[in-house]
Amino acid sequence: GQQVMQIPQYQHVQEGEDFTTYCNSSTTLSNIQWYKQRPGGHPVFLIQLVKSGEVKKQKRLTFQFGEAKKNSSLHITATQTTDVGTYFCAGPGDFNKFYFGSGTKLNVKP
Amino acid sequence: DTAVSQTPKYLVTQMGNDKSIKCEQNLGHDTMYWYKQDSKKFLKIMFSYNNKELIINETVPNRFSPKSPDKAHLNLHINSLELGDSAVYFCASSQDIQGFLPATNEKLFFGSGTQLSVL
Repeated sequence: GQQVMQIPQYQHVQEGEDFTTYCNSSTTLSNIQWYKQRPGGHPVFLIQLVKSGEVKKQKRLTFQFGEAKKNSSLHITATQTTDVGTYFCAGPGDFNKFYFGSGTKLNVKP
Repeated sequence: DTAVSQTPKYLVTQMGNDKSIKCEQNLGHDTMYWYKQDSKKFLKIMFSYNNKELIINETVPNRFSPKSPDKAHLNLHINSLELGDSAVYFCASSQDIQGFLPATNEKLFFGSGTQLSVL
C-alpha cells in the first residue's frame, strides 16, 4: 500500500508568504524525490535527497531530508504566483515500487 | 523534441468501448511506466517495464493490458471501459527501475498525460 504520507493537502497563501509541505514515511527511505505539477501539466522532477540530514536549495526552495530518513520537507520562501501547483514527494517502497505522496496543492493569491 | 510523448492528449469515449494510449520516449531509458492520476490528484503506479519486460503490475484489472514492442515504447490498451476508469494517465520513463538503485538519480520523466473521460 501507500508508503508516503504528505501534509497539508491544500495551502492557500498570499504572494510573498512562505510555504512548507511535509512528507512522512513509516519506514526508512533510501532516498526521496520531489516533483512539481503545474495545473493541467505533468509532474516535473525537482530534486532528490539521499543523505541523512541533507539540505538542498534551489533559489527560494529549500529541501530537507530528516536525520532518520523517514521525513522530508519542502519550504518555499516568499511565494510567487509562478509557484502555484501541486508538490509531490516520492520514495521507494516494497518490491522496488516508487510511491508518490498525496501531494500538496499550493495556491498563491497575488 | 519532446522527451516522453503520449497520444492522444484527450480521449472521450462511451462505457464498454476499447481504447489505446500510446507512449514513446527518446531518452534512451530502459524503464517505462504507466501512472494513473485520479480527480484528487493521487498518482498511482500501474505498470512498469524494464527493457520490454514487465516488472510491476500493481493490482490493475486485467482489462488493462500494457504492451512494450521495444524499450522506447509502452502502450496501454483498455478493454470494456468503465466510468471509474476516467482519470489522467501518465506515461513516464527512467534510466533504470525506480527504487532499485536508490543511490542513483533515477528521476522520472513524465509525458504530458492523457485525460480519459468515460461517459
